[in-house]
Amino acid sequence: DAGVTQSPTHLIKTRGQQVTLRCSPKSGHDTVSWYQQALGQGPQFIFQYYEEEERQRGNFPDRFSGHQFPNYSSELNVNALLLGDSALYLCASSPGNEYEQYFGPGTRLTVT
Amino acid sequence: GEDVEQSLFLSVREGDSSVINCTYTDSSSTYLYWYKQEPGAGLQLLTYIFSNMDMKQDQRLTVLLNKKDKHLSLRIADTQTGDSAIYFCAESEPGYSTLTFGKGTMLLVSP
Repeated sequence: DAGVTQSPTHLIKTRGQQVTLRCSPKSGHDTVSWYQQALGQGPQFIFQYYEEEERQRGNFPDRFSGHQFPNYSSELNVNALLLGDSALYLCASSPGNEYEQYFGPGTRLTVT
Repeated sequence: GEDVEQSLFLSVREGDSSVINCTYTDSSSTYLYWYKQEPGAGLQLLTYIFSNMDMKQDQRLTVLLNKKDKHLSLRIADTQTGDSAIYFCAESEPGYSTLTFGKGTMLLVSP
């Protein structure tokens, strides 16, 4: 049983560009959450998707948007990239509103 | 708002016990979690405790919760070099499965 998978593993972008990160949840999980982890910090909640809708959102600007597909996979989009967006982006999945969240390996985004 | 605090660093010798501490501010927290992160990797869920419990044991791991003091600890018995990693404490609120994390405690286990 594959766990949570994310792509790509690493990404380098330039300020002002746009980026799309992808996540496939663990089998049987229908809820996907995205977190941003800056260097030396704990993960910060960005948003959560359930039934293809954004269910909750953290304190992130509208430049951060997402989508969930019928197969429960999800994308995170970031527009107008800033240097401060450089971080490890983590995807977590869980079944429904269950409290056990399982994390993927993350996508390391570097903005130059 | 919620806040989770952890000490930043802990160094122990192999075979000793490690105790990692965490304090949180949200008294309505439903679940409290411990995650492990190895260099360059994602987060691994180690264990979690429901807020109406005082203690949970899972093999080498013991979680203690003092709800009055809003203090959570993770004890690792017989610590091994493979336990060297960053350990994150996290909480979730009632009705929400989103997590609020501390900044993490780096555990270094020396032979």
